[in-house]
Order: sequence, then C-alpha cells, then structure tokens
Amino acid sequence: AQKVTQAQTEISVVEKEDVTLDCVYETRDTTYYLFWYKQPPSGELVFLIRRNSFDEQNEISGRYSWNFQKSTSSFNFTITASQVVDSAVYFCALSEARTGNQFYFGTGTSLTVIP
Amino acid sequence: DTAVSQTPKYLVTQMGNDKSIKCEQNLGHDTMYWYKQDSKKFLKIMFSYNNKELIINETVPNRFSPKSPDKAHLNLHINSLELGDSAVYFCASSQDPRGAPLHFGNGTRLTVT
Repeated sequence: AQKVTQAQTEISVVEKEDVTLDCVYETRDTTYYLFWYKQPPSGELVFLIRRNSFDEQNEISGRYSWNFQKSTSSFNFTITASQVVDSAVYFCALSEARTGNQFYFGTGTSLTVIP
Repeated sequence: DTAVSQTPKYLVTQMGNDKSIKCEQNLGHDTMYWYKQDSKKFLKIMFSYNNKELIINETVPNRFSPKSPDKAHLNLHINSLELGDSAVYFCASSQDPRGAPLHFGNGTRLTVT
C-alpha cells in the first residue's frame, strides 16, 4: 500500500491564483515526520518544510503555507498568489520513527503556473 | 559551498559497460542515501548507509553496489549497464536523530544506449 498519496498528478493555474497541493499519508506510528520537497525544471530537489506528528500547528512562510491535520492524515500545501517560478514538481514524504531512515515519497504533483 | 555534491552530472554510456557515480557531503551528516528517479518522476530508495554501515538495501539488482569509504562519501558502482538503468540518480544525506530532512545532491542523469 502506498504510504503517501498525492492524488493530483498535474495542476495548472494562472499566475496570481492560489493553489493547494494535497498529500494524504498512512502510518501506524505515533511518532512520524512529514516533509515537502520542490523539484523545479532544473532538476534539483529542494527541502521546503518538515513537520513532526506532535506539532499540528499550521505554518506559513511567505506565500507558502502548510495545513497538517492528523484527523484526516493530511498535510496539504498551499501557494498563495502563485508565480511562474513556482512551476515545479512537488513531493510529499513521510518518515516513521519506527523505520528510522526510511523515507516514503509520494508520486509528486506537477504544478504549472501560466503567466 | 556545495553541501551534497555528486559527479558526474551527466553520464551517457553503452549497454554492458560499468560505471560509477561519486557522492560527497560536507554537512557532517551520519547517513547517506542513493535514490533513483525514473522517467515518471517516482523517487525510489536504493541504499542507505549510516556511519559507513549499510542499513537499507532495497530490492536492487546485484549489479548495483554502493561503497562508503568514510561517512562523508557514498559512491555507486553499476556493472553491466542495461537500458532500464537509465534514470536520474540522487545522492542524499541526513543527520540523526530520526526525522531529519534529506539534503539532496543535484542528481546524475544516466543514459544507457
């Protein structure tokens, strides 16, 4: 079974629109960590955020915000007022305390921001 | 200063050849990884080393052999390359404790012809 599901394969938005990327995870651990990574067209993988299972506070960083809800096992990512530079593939990932260094990646959501 | 560097960036070779990809991290991290990203962008872990010791070895053909001479280096050697090995290979590192994020290298695009 897929531990991290990103149901949206591709999303296109017009510049300045808001967009939310969904991430649903599955784990039996009580201690786990959630991550988002960005992969722009240049190909590198850039770490954006980490959340641990005990901290459900939402986080905002500039135009980026993350909504962590344990009740629905979701860790969604919203970009406000999207820009062309936001065009990238975004990956959600899960790491469980039980399995240590094993990271489970979702299949990614390809976001295209149209000028 | 590059945190995780891997070389080469591009590698084009013929089937049957043997090739190596090198990875070095200067972050002082204890754990290093190799990931394979296929044409559909799916990221799959191949190996993980912690302080030079192999801790994750996913179902990967024996033709792939990682080598970690010290905790700052994790090289990947591939024997008898096949067409299906064409992919982007990412090296990454992370610091203990568990839950630390992965820091990725820029990737090596391997093309087998």
